[in-house]
Amino acid sequence: GAVVSQHPSRVICKSGTSVKIECRSLDFQATTMFWYRQFPKQSLMLMATSNEGSKATYEQGVEKDKFLINHASLTLSTLTVTSAHPEDSSFYICSAKVAPGSPLHFGNGTRLTVT
Amino acid sequence: DQQVKQNSPSLSVQEGRISILNCDYTNSMFDYFLWYKKYPAEGPTFLISISSIKDKNEDGRFTVFLNKSAKHLSLHIVPSQPGDSAVYFCAASFSGSARQLTFGSGTQLTVLP
Repeated sequence: GAVVSQHPSRVICKSGTSVKIECRSLDFQATTMFWYRQFPKQSLMLMATSNEGSKATYEQGVEKDKFLINHASLTLSTLTVTSAHPEDSSFYICSAKVAPGSPLHFGNGTRLTVT
Repeated sequence: DQQVKQNSPSLSVQEGRISILNCDYTNSMFDYFLWYKKYPAEGPTFLISISSIKDKNEDGRFTVFLNKSAKHLSLHIVPSQPGDSAVYFCAASFSGSARQLTFGSGTQLTVLP
């Protein structure tokens, strides 16, 4: 079945550094991928929609200069958290659809801890 | 404003019994609803969905019911198994929108052996 792979699964970084998270669709092409963020015991909040070959669409309140999204190919989207701060510590999850109308398939998420 | 609400943060059920997870929504434009299951440190896994043209959809042990007039949906798991213990999210979307899923806050289901 469809698989979305996310890497790394865990990352610890120091405040002020940048962290890149990769999301790959392993057996299908995804022109659109979605990035979510989940705080402990809270819902998944859509951060942005990543579009292959064009700029990402960010949700209200999400800083596009802080959360850089690049979707350079049909199987890879990256989220870079720039100048990370402790409040950026969270669980980041990417997702993609195999085909229009199909459910979203999620990666396993990345636990980011900023010290 | 939370458009999708799961008012029960947790639910405990005995193995073999029925688990009923509830979800309410406020946006009448939603026309497609899904349930996802999530284990700790993993991404959500799709379970079952229902379109607003239906009021019930069944897949094995999982049945989703939709009551449009009440803006309410529920997920029934029967019989419940210990491996069903996870956080369950309901999610909703509406056609014609560029936005994707709106998730509820989740319900932690614990199935006791």
